[in-house]
Parts: sequence; structure tokens; C-alpha cells
Amino acid sequence: QVHLVQSGAEVKKPGASVKVSCKASGYTFTGYYMHWVRQAPGQGLEWMGWINPNSGATKYAQKFQDRVTMTRDTSISTAYIELSGLTSDDTAVYYCARPAAVVPAAGGQFDPWGQGTPVTVSS
Amino acid sequence: QSALTQPASVSGSPGQSITISCTGTSSDVGSYTFVSWYQQYPGKAPKLMIYEGSKRPSGISNRFSGSKSGNTASLTISGLQAEDEADYYCCSYAGSSTVIFGGGTKLTVL
Repeated sequence: QVHLVQSGAEVKKPGASVKVSCKASGYTFTGYYMHWVRQAPGQGLEWMGWINPNSGATKYAQKFQDRVTMTRDTSISTAYIELSGLTSDDTAVYYCARPAAVVPAAGGQFDPWGQGTPVTVSS
Repeated sequence: QSALTQPASVSGSPGQSITISCTGTSSDVGSYTFVSWYQQYPGKAPKLMIYEGSKRPSGISNRFSGSKSGNTASLTISGLQAEDEADYYCCSYAGSSTVIFGGGTKLTVL
């Protein structure tokens, strides 16, 4: 069974960085892109980008281009997202999500999702 | 890139049918078949309900159906049940390997 298990809640101060992990199991990690989506309190879903675990290639949403980094460690089937220059607007639940099929890798059809990692930015 | 447009809320009585619209542009919904719909309960991760505009993943009730016309996609839930009360989000491929979500719709079962 395919599972995505994310790291625990984080509390950060403004200006700091946060790194969230997503450990995959039940499938070939390098066979599917991994996407990241966030959801601010009471708000909708916001796509942040993806990483190709096989090549390490990434694509970021323009909004986050300058301060997001997505990486992976294929030896432990884990994807990471790091967001720098945090502000209170970055307070949100961060989800990793795998495409439902190998193709389309970047089509936006996600299944499964991780359980979410709450990130709170507060002074 | 603005979010796809969804109504903030819809409601219906048990047994009725409701439809949630998702309006995009010719750069996203209008140009690609990769439109998906998600159901989300409070405090939970989203769940895929419809993909490629009208296909249901295994295990999803046939009460859920999707369609598309031009720049607008729609999710219809028939035979409304109390357990359908949740938030629903549409999502579309937007070209250049990017994805865009709708703003979300809160479904209330009266």
C-alpha cells in the first residue's frame, strides 16, 4: 500500500527557514514525481512545485521561486521541501502529494497525499 | 496566475443533486483534460474523487461525476448524503508543468 509520511509540526520565527520531509513507501520512489501543496488556515490549496526524484529536476511555482528548495534522498525514499525567509503568511499545513499515475507526472492528479505538516511562523 | 473560480458554498438536502462549478481560462481548464476534484474534511488531507475530468478512482462512489465544457469544469454529487458535507477543490494542469487549484467550495447538507 502506498504511503506518504511527513515530519512533525514546526514552529519558526520570522526570517527563519523550515525543512519538511515526506517519506514514501509501497512503490518505487524514483518512478513518480513528488509535489508539494500548502493550505493556510481557513484557506484553499496552493500548489508549490514538484521534484523528479529520479533526476532531481524541479519546477517551482513562480510565487515561491526565490525561496523554496525541493530535494530528495533516494536511499531513504524521502522528499524534502525547504522554505526560507518565513513570514506569518507562510503559516500553513504543508502536504506532499504523489501523482496518481506515472503519466502525467505534472498533471495535478494527486493520490495519495501525506498527512500534512503544520508550520507556524510566529515571533 | 489566479486560482480557478469556484462558488464559496453550495448546499442541498439529502437525496438531492448538487453541482459545483470550476471556471478557469483557455490556458488551463479549457486546454487540458487533466482536471481533478478533491474532497477534504476538516483537519484531514484532500482525497482524490475525480481525475481526467470525469474518471473515478477505484473505491469512489458513482454518485460523484465530473464533466467539462469550455473553460468550466463541474462536479456533480447525486443522492446527497450527510457524509458528503466537506470542502471540495478543483485542480487543473496549467501548462509548463504547473498546476493550479480552485479556491474551494464548502458543501453543506441541510
